[in-house]
Parts: sequence; C-alpha cells; structure tokens
Amino acid sequence: DIVMTQSPDSLAVSLGERATINCKSSQSVLYSSNNKNYLAWYQQKPGQPPKLLIYWASTRESGVPDRFSGSGSGTDFTLTISSLQAEDVAVYYCQQYYSTPLFTFGPGTKVDIK
Amino acid sequence: QVQLQESGPGLVKPSQTLSLTCTVSGGSISSGSYYWSWIRQPAGKGLEWIGRIYTSGNTNYNPSLKSRVTISVDTSKNQFSLKLSSVTAADTAVYFCARGTDSSGSYLFWGQGTLVTVSS
Repeated sequence: DIVMTQSPDSLAVSLGERATINCKSSQSVLYSSNNKNYLAWYQQKPGQPPKLLIYWASTRESGVPDRFSGSGSGTDFTLTISSLQAEDVAVYYCQQYYSTPLFTFGPGTKVDIK
Repeated sequence: QVQLQESGPGLVKPSQTLSLTCTVSGGSISSGSYYWSWIRQPAGKGLEWIGRIYTSGNTNYNPSLKSRVTISVDTSKNQFSLKLSSVTAADTAVYFCARGTDSSGSYLFWGQGTLVTVSS
C-alpha cells in the first residue's frame, strides 16, 4: 500500500501570507507512460464533504481560486496558498490514485489564521 | 450538475450489516467514464477509501475491508450501494459517496455524508 504523510499537522498563517503544505508518498505516484502524477488535493471545512482543489498534482479544478497551486513530482508534493484568506481555514488532504485497488489519503493538515 | 445523496440507517448494532444507498441525480449513473465510490471519516479523523464500482460492475475494495464490503450498482434506480458486514464500533463514521473519473483520477462530486453509529 502507498502510505501518504503530510506536514505540518497544523499551521497558523496571517491573512494575506503564504501557507505551504507538504505531502509525501511512500512510493512514486508518477506514471511513466503518461508522465502524470496521480495525486490530488482536497479542502474540507467542518460539516462538509471534501472539495477537490487540484488533480494530476498541479491542475487546478475549475472555479478554484488561483491562489491555490500544487507542485511536486514522484514522491514529494506541495500545496501552496499564496495569500491566505479567511475562507481558506480548513483541513487539507492529499490523495494518491496511482495504486489500485487502494486509493489513500494523507492524514490532513489544519490551516488556521494567526 | 451531478448531485449525490446518501441514505440509510443512522444506527446499526454491533455484528450486524451496515447498508447505505447513494442516489445520483442530474445525470445518468451509466453515462461517461466514471466510477462510484464510498469513503468514510470517523469523527475528528481522516478519510478512508472503502471502494469503488464501475457501472460495468467491476469493483475494487480497500484490502483492509475487502472481506466485509460489497458495493453494488442499480442503474435502473440511478443508485449504488454499500454493505459492510460484521460491524464494530470502529466502523462508526460519516460515510460519503463520491464520483470519480479515470480522466482526472480524483473526486469532484461528493454527497453530504451520513453519520452511521455502531452501538447496541
């Protein structure tokens, strides 16, 4: 099974400042035949289902503000919120979909306002 | 716009079978290259992928749950279902249904989730 880890567990950032969340997979999620990283990022607010932000590690879902960006390849990935807004307070999860039959999520990173 | 809605008992006794249904609206469950998944989240914890089904009937299950899980689809009702047998308190969670796609490999559409508590 591919194990996903995230760091930090939580972070507090001032409004307008950058927030950076790291995600690491226990093995590469880069599929060599199409050069795609099988990794997604989700945002979850209390009482709501997760919301897809990024897929293929760096492709922003339609309607997602451009302050959210994803980067990385292989086993190391980053979600960056370039200028934190109050509505970005949430828990963020990475998910790999490289390994069938088990798609695994990271443990989550909680983002708060400092 | 596709919408998903979970339904089923909110309370299940230990050792019994948890049964949930996800009703899909705003589109046919049979159209497109999609798969239909169940994902759960214990209170205050992270997300656990349970499994998925294609409308062809092909399924994939989390190996840790495989012996207890069955996911099925009823295209005539535009629904898919989850059965989890021999439940214990550890199965208490919010259960989400979601639609995934091979073109992006990720889950864009989710139900709101339903809390299932396992307790006598």
